[in-house]
Amino acid sequence: GQQLNQSPQSMFIQEGEDVSMNCTSSSIFNTWLWYKQDPGEGPVLLIALYKAGELTSNGRLTAQFGITRKDSFLNISASIPSDVGIYFCAATNAGGTSYGKLTFGQGTILTVHP
Amino acid sequence: DAGVTQSPTHLIKTRGQQVTLRCSPKSGHDTVSWYQQALGQGPQFIFQYYEEEERQRGNFPDRFSGHQFPNYSSELNVNALLLGDSALYLCASSGKTQYFGPGTRLLVL
Repeated sequence: GQQLNQSPQSMFIQEGEDVSMNCTSSSIFNTWLWYKQDPGEGPVLLIALYKAGELTSNGRLTAQFGITRKDSFLNISASIPSDVGIYFCAATNAGGTSYGKLTFGQGTILTVHP
Repeated sequence: DAGVTQSPTHLIKTRGQQVTLRCSPKSGHDTVSWYQQALGQGPQFIFQYYEEEERQRGNFPDRFSGHQFPNYSSELNVNALLLGDSALYLCASSGKTQYFGPGTRLLVL
């Protein structure tokens, strides 16, 4: 079935550093999403990308939808301790006004040392 | 405005038993999807319900079934539980954006 390859699997950084993670697919998708999941909770949507080449920011987070529609990256600038968690990329080919099936990457575990 | 809610939060069952998990979507959302998240993995799509019908299904056996009620809430049923069914079960409701609930942690012994 379809899979998203997310890297790196884990990152250990110092507070204040920038972080970059990416996601690739062998299939084309028309929507890419980035989620963060804290322990014991469901994923929380960070950024949604709907157009190839689109670059979108949400505070210190910036994500891009690759022009081939087969990849996306997420950058976090000036990391802080509360950025700790698991980051997932997800993609879908939903049409209309409602998402269809989301395919997820394996996740990137982010640890931030104060 | 309540977000997506799920019940119960935790559940312990034994092999061969049956389980029912429940989800109430975010207000205004009419589509509910269910995902299984094994430890250390990303969520895997089980199925999606819209207008009380199963609209899409992932690669899960028939032991996994669901239902959507007229108020858009949904149930996930799993029959003949296996040890490998132990996971976090997530419900997501969607309008333009898909929101996840906190999940139900199922442990099968």
